[in-house]
Amino acid sequence: DAGVIQSPRHEVTEMGQEVTLRCKPISGHDYLFWYRQTMMRGLELLIYFNNNVPIDDSGMPEDRFSAKMPNASFSTLKIQPSEPRDSAVYFCASSLRVGWYGYTFGSGTRLTVV
Amino acid sequence: AQSVTQPDIHITVSEGASLELRCNYSYGATPYLFWYVQSPGQGLQLLLKYFSGDTLVQGIKGFEAEFKRSQSSFNLRKPSVHWSDAAEYFCAVGGGGSQGNLIFGKGTKLSVKP
Repeated sequence: DAGVIQSPRHEVTEMGQEVTLRCKPISGHDYLFWYRQTMMRGLELLIYFNNNVPIDDSGMPEDRFSAKMPNASFSTLKIQPSEPRDSAVYFCASSLRVGWYGYTFGSGTRLTVV
Repeated sequence: AQSVTQPDIHITVSEGASLELRCNYSYGATPYLFWYVQSPGQGLQLLLKYFSGDTLVQGIKGFEAEFKRSQSSFNLRKPSVHWSDAAEYFCAVGGGGSQGNLIFGKGTKLSVKP
């Protein structure tokens, strides 16, 4: 398996623009997670899905952030409009089950908003 | 509230020396415990995990961790550090069922001196 695939690896955008981050989880994994990593706040869970259904989005910082999972093999995280404080590394992770299995992380998308 | 504390932000050890990274957790039930490693520009890789049984668990790359319930700790150890171990290490705690998401510590950055 190719693992969790995220695209793009790097994104530089201007403030106010829409940004879409993409994730392909490992086939057969029922859970998908979006995390944001910054120096100040560390790893923060934004949202997670179970069988394509959002379970907990309490970590989504504001209405500018939205996430979808239209099918078992694809998810997007969208920021509209983007702001400089959104600059971070965004990770997608997937898991077969919760609990014992742990997560498999993608390589992340480094987002810079200027 | 569930939380993970990694008291050391940055540790430097000499190559060949032993290593111990500290992790303390707060969790209402019996937790699943994990250690992940993140190399620069990469996603997080699972090193080892614990839920029950033998309190000393072995992981990849020669790492081990010991669960101590009385101290709410899950410290990571390695007898002899290699230069390639330089990375950031994250402790995480989670549960199963409805508590599917992992909570991560802020991480400990490990530097290795030649």
